[in-house]
Amino acid sequence: QQPVQSPQAVILREGEDAVINCSSSKALYSVHWYRQKHGEAPVFLMILLKGGEQKGHEKISASFNEKKQQSSLYLTASQLSYSGTYFCGTPSLTGNQFYFGTGTSLTVIP
Amino acid sequence: DTGVSQNPRHKITKRGQNVTFRCDPISEHNRLYWYRQTLGQGPEFLTYFQNEAQLEKSRLLSDRFSAERPKGSFSTLEIQRTEQGDSAMYLCVPGGRRVTNYGYTFGSGTRLTVV
Repeated sequence: QQPVQSPQAVILREGEDAVINCSSSKALYSVHWYRQKHGEAPVFLMILLKGGEQKGHEKISASFNEKKQQSSLYLTASQLSYSGTYFCGTPSLTGNQFYFGTGTSLTVIP
Repeated sequence: DTGVSQNPRHKITKRGQNVTFRCDPISEHNRLYWYRQTLGQGPEFLTYFQNEAQLEKSRLLSDRFSAERPKGSFSTLEIQRTEQGDSAMYLCVPGGRRVTNYGYTFGSGTRLTVV
């Protein structure tokens, strides 16, 4: 039930854009996005609750396609601080478990 | 401030020893989750408490693992007869109904190294 993310890794120059995809073979009831810096715990970025929902700030946003069981995270005009591993995640039907995606390592270089 | 304190932050133990980790949420949360994260992987669900009741356990939680939440507040995770494969970051996540809208706030974790 673990969502699959693509790409596995990406290297960007400062100012470039990136898209991280998250797809599931099972229904997605909601999608969370987290970022984890090396040696630290994951930090919550945003949650999408409804199909078709788009959310975020100017430079980090996400969309959720419930029918396709997919979500995408968009990072625009990347900054060095965006470096880290990004995880999508989704709760089980009961909400008692939460499944993190396979992860995408993002490195922003000057 | 993550709203949850985990102790110890780091633990190095010899194979075969028992270890215990503690998670203290700062405020009241009826739900509490434990996750394990190995290097390069995403966090994996271990177990879930609602108040003091342990309602769900992952198959990852072998009989060497036991978790408790005696008063519905803090929680402990014990690993008996540790193995090298137990080396990982153990993360505690308090939660409640609002987590579905506000996401999970992870504790800083306990990094276990079994040598």
